[in-house]
Order: sequence, then C-alpha cells, then structure tokens
Amino acid sequence: QLQLQESGSGLVKPSQTLSLTCAVSGGSISSGGYSWSWIRQPPGKGLEWIGYIYHSGSTYYNPSLKSRVTISVDRSKNQFSLKLSSVTAADTAVYYCARYNWNDLSAFDIWGQGTMVTVSS
Amino acid sequence: QSALTQPASVSGSPGQSITISCTGTSSDVGSYNLVSWYQQHPGKAPKLMIYEVSKRPSGVSNRFSGSKSGNTASLTISGLQAEDEADYYCCSYAGSSTDVVFGGGTKLTVL
Repeated sequence: QLQLQESGSGLVKPSQTLSLTCAVSGGSISSGGYSWSWIRQPPGKGLEWIGYIYHSGSTYYNPSLKSRVTISVDRSKNQFSLKLSSVTAADTAVYYCARYNWNDLSAFDIWGQGTMVTVSS
Repeated sequence: QSALTQPASVSGSPGQSITISCTGTSSDVGSYNLVSWYQQHPGKAPKLMIYEVSKRPSGVSNRFSGSKSGNTASLTISGLQAEDEADYYCCSYAGSSTDVVFGGGTKLTVL
C-alpha cells in the first residue's frame, strides 16, 4: 500500500522560503500515470491546490501561486518537494502531499497526513 | 473566493438523505467528467469518496453517490449516519491552464 509522509520546517519567517518534502513508500515515484501534488488548507478554511509534477517531470502550478512555487522530484530518494518563496502570514496552512491517479480514477486517491506550517517572525 | 461554489453547510437527521451541490463553469465542471468528492473529518486528511462524477472507490459505502448536470455536480448521501458528519469538498479538472480547482467545502451536520 503506497503511503505519503510530509516533512519540513513547521515555522518559517516572513519573506523566506517554505520547504517541504514528501516521502513516497510502498511504490515508485517514477511509475507512469500519476501526478505528485501539493495541496494546502489554511486554518478553518478550504482546500487549495498548489501544483503537481508528472512522472515525466512536467510541472503544473496554480496560477495564483505560480510565480512563487517550485515542485521537484528526487527519484533516487523516491520523494518530491515543494518550495514556496516570499511567504507571508497568508501562507500559514496545513500542507498535504497527495497522488493524483490518472491511471485508474482521475482523482487524488492517496494523501499524506499533512504538516502544519506557520509563517511568523 | 473558491473556483467551485458549494453551500457552506447542510444538515439532516439520521436515516435521511442530503445532497450537496458544486457549481462551476463551462471551463471546469461543465467540460470534464473529472469531478471528485472528498470527505474530511476534523484534524484528518481528506478521503476520496467519489471520482469521475459518479464512481465509488473500493471500500466506500454505496450510500454515497454522485451526479452532474451542466456546470453543477452533486453528492448525495442516503441513509445518513452519525459518522457522515464531516466537511465535504468537490474538485474538478479545469484544463491545462488551471488544472485543478476545489470547492469551498460544505459542513455536513447530522442532527
């Protein structure tokens, strides 16, 4: 059973760069037909798609965040990462990594448990 | 403002049925049969309940069903149970420029 686990700094200062990693276990990140995704949820609010990276390495980002976001893959470690630059308090949220399964059901079928990131000085 | 519009809250008594709507545009819900629904209990990660408008993943109760008409998708839960009380989010593919959009979420209260 494939599992995802987020890790990274839980506290980031304003104007700095948020960095998170999602470790993939129980399967290969290089398998075709999947997009490896980041989704966030500010406290008490709804879900916001940040972006994803295909197994091919192509990336797609939310237009509202595109100028600040980078998603990358490290195949040797079977993990993918998120970098969000120039953060403000509005970036405070629980950050989830998730797999978008294009093969079988065209949806986010596996999620990590989420990690809280607070932007504060 | 979320790209897809959902009611903020719905409620129902045990055993009843409820429907949650998800209204998008001709660029997302109206153009693709790639609408999915997620259930989220407090403090937990979302769980996939419906994919491709009306299909259920293995292990999801058949009390959950989905449909779509035009730019509006719907999630229906029949035979409400206390454990169904949660937040529900719709999601749609929106083409190569935007890719994925979520609804603002609906809080379901089982009375």
